[in-house]
Amino acid sequence: RKEVEQDPGPFNVPEGATVAFNCTYSNSASQSFFWYRQDCRKEPKLLMSVYSSGNEDGRFTAQLNRASQYISLLIRDSKLSDSATYLCVVNHHSNYQLIWGAGTKLIIKP
Amino acid sequence: DVKVTQSSRYLVKRTGEKVFLECVQDMDHENMFWYRQDPGLGLRLIYFSYDVKMKEKGDIPEGYSVSREKKERFSLILESASTNQTSMYLCASSLTGGNSPLHFGNGTRLTVT
Repeated sequence: RKEVEQDPGPFNVPEGATVAFNCTYSNSASQSFFWYRQDCRKEPKLLMSVYSSGNEDGRFTAQLNRASQYISLLIRDSKLSDSATYLCVVNHHSNYQLIWGAGTKLIIKP
Repeated sequence: DVKVTQSSRYLVKRTGEKVFLECVQDMDHENMFWYRQDPGLGLRLIYFSYDVKMKEKGDIPEGYSVSREKKERFSLILESASTNQTSMYLCASSLTGGNSPLHFGNGTRLTVT
């Protein structure tokens, strides 16, 4: 079993819809969690950190469920520019070794 | 804004060649990383460095070495390139500690023929 798992998608979603995807992690000692966004043929960029209490940044909401060991990302009122691959990242040793999911591809259609 | 610059966007090398990938960051970050990214596998850490002249192996160090002689520069070396090292290579930097976000360069797509 992979340490960090994501549904690869693609998720095909109409513009304006709400979309959510999850990321599961296997190590219950995991301490920090992030969502990165990667556009086609570009480098990953930090979208948001995920805090225990959940956090929101505009149309984006991130949640952490420690009991079930997953994090989620919700995108409301999706835009064409949200089309990208979303990477889940977990750090369970508070050192430098981040564990990356393989990403979920999102395609927003007009 | 943090800038991480990788020396080449595309490289084509022959099997057995020694390959140097250079990375420079301009934000005085302590940590620097080299990843490779392959379809369906996610990012895999090759090596990282948390200080000048310090280096640590990541998950897949075999066939690679690194050099960090100056804080701003982190080089990845493929001692003898092989076809299974064809990949996208991403350099990143971050502030000290394990929870700081990573800032990536725009990647080097290496093809080994």
